Amino acid sequence: SAVISQKPSRDICQRGTSLTIQCQVDSQVTMMFWYRQQPGQSLTLIATANQGSEATYESGFVIDKFPISRPNLTFSTLTVSNMSPEDSSIYLCSAGKAGSDSGELFFGEGSRLTVL
Amino acid sequence: GQNIDQPTEMTATEGAIVQINCTYQTSGFNGLFWYQQHAGEAPTFLSYNVLDGLEEKGRFSSFLSRSKGYSYLLLKELQMKDSASYLCAAMDSNYQLIWGAGTKLIIKP
Repeated sequence: SAVISQKPSRDICQRGTSLTIQCQVDSQVTMMFWYRQQPGQSLTLIATANQGSEATYESGFVIDKFPISRPNLTFSTLTVSNMSPEDSSIYLCSAGKAGSDSGELFFGEGSRLTVL
Repeated sequence: GQNIDQPTEMTATEGAIVQINCTYQTSGFNGLFWYQQHAGEAPTFLSYNVLDGLEEKGRFSSFLSRSKGYSYLLLKELQMKDSASYLCAAMDSNYQLIWGAGTKLIIKP
């Protein structure tokens, strides 16, 4: 298994500011993903974080709004830029290990973001 | 389009059995996952099915029918700690996970 640490666990931010969420995995993983989850809703994939190159964004998400870094196999950051109240959500980091036949994903505890 | 359907909420009694159904439509198929998510916590992996049939893991079992685009999660001997949301997710041909909205399971004494 893999243990994923995310921080901050929660934050309250002002409109127009930016917040960077950090994700640290305790072992090397091939795949890292960033999800958004509204309370009681499904997980929405924001992007796949690629080591040493630009992230791959899903439809509806762009790099200028959600810049992502992944400098190595165990660490990634997601920045939520120029925040608005619509960005209030839980942001989850997820990782999958290389060679896993089951394709199992491990999740961080999530970062609960409230934008005023 | 790609779609996952599962009931929004279910209620069951402690000690009983409950079956949570999931139907999916994806572009290609590389497996069906079930995750458990307690309120305010991260999802945790429960099961993975890629072949038709039933996979049993303790009190939890998962079934898949690829021809019907259907899966279910069966929970036996329900305990209060099983109260959680259960997320169904199908992996498409691009190895992307398509997530259902989750089924909130309420266990009553």
